[in-house]
Amino acid sequence: EVQLVESGGGLVQPGGSLRLSCAASGFTFSSYAMSWVRQAPGKGLEWVSFISGRGISTDHADSVKGRFIISRDNSKNTLYLQVNSLRAEDTAVYYCAKEGLGSGRGMDVWGKGTTVTVSS
Amino acid sequence: ESVLTQSPATLSLSPGERATLSCRASQSVSSYLAWYQQKPGQAPRLLIYDASNRATGIPARFSGSGSGTDFTLTISSLEPEDFAVYYCQQGRTFGGGTKVEIK
Repeated sequence: EVQLVESGGGLVQPGGSLRLSCAASGFTFSSYAMSWVRQAPGKGLEWVSFISGRGISTDHADSVKGRFIISRDNSKNTLYLQVNSLRAEDTAVYYCAKEGLGSGRGMDVWGKGTTVTVSS
Repeated sequence: ESVLTQSPATLSLSPGERATLSCRASQSVSSYLAWYQQKPGQAPRLLIYDASNRATGIPARFSGSGSGTDFTLTISSLEPEDFAVYYCQQGRTFGGGTKVEIK
């Protein structure tokens, strides 16, 4: 079964850091690009970060650039998101998602999400 | 990156009715568009990719059409489990969503 399981969320003070993880199983992890997408309470979906299959290419939304770092360990089938200098507006459910092959293929597998709450 | 505008924001319909959801891109995205369904407390689920192809396991009542800047998701006859929020997506951009609610 193809599965993504996120972990690492929690309550953190403004300015703090967390490392989110996403464990993948059921597919050849290194063959697929991956993304992080977040959803603030009561709001829509916001793409956060992207990484290519071998980890050579990355991209981040302007709202997190310089504060968040996406990475992956293909030997462990795990995706990461290092989130630093957290702000209240970063409070959200963070989902990892497997990218389909091709520009319009969308994200065909999603985890259940991990919740990050930034508050003092 | 193209901006995606979804309309209407909310669609109030009864089970059995046809739902037509719109997604407009600020510049041409060819057929590179996906649609998702999200229910409360759940992750999004891919419905349609490349504008008109149903993802694995998606019922035939869901269909997508369009190319360039104008796209449509159609649910031919609403089932109770179809009342949810629907998002379009292209590349790094998601639309704002359309909520399909029970009338």
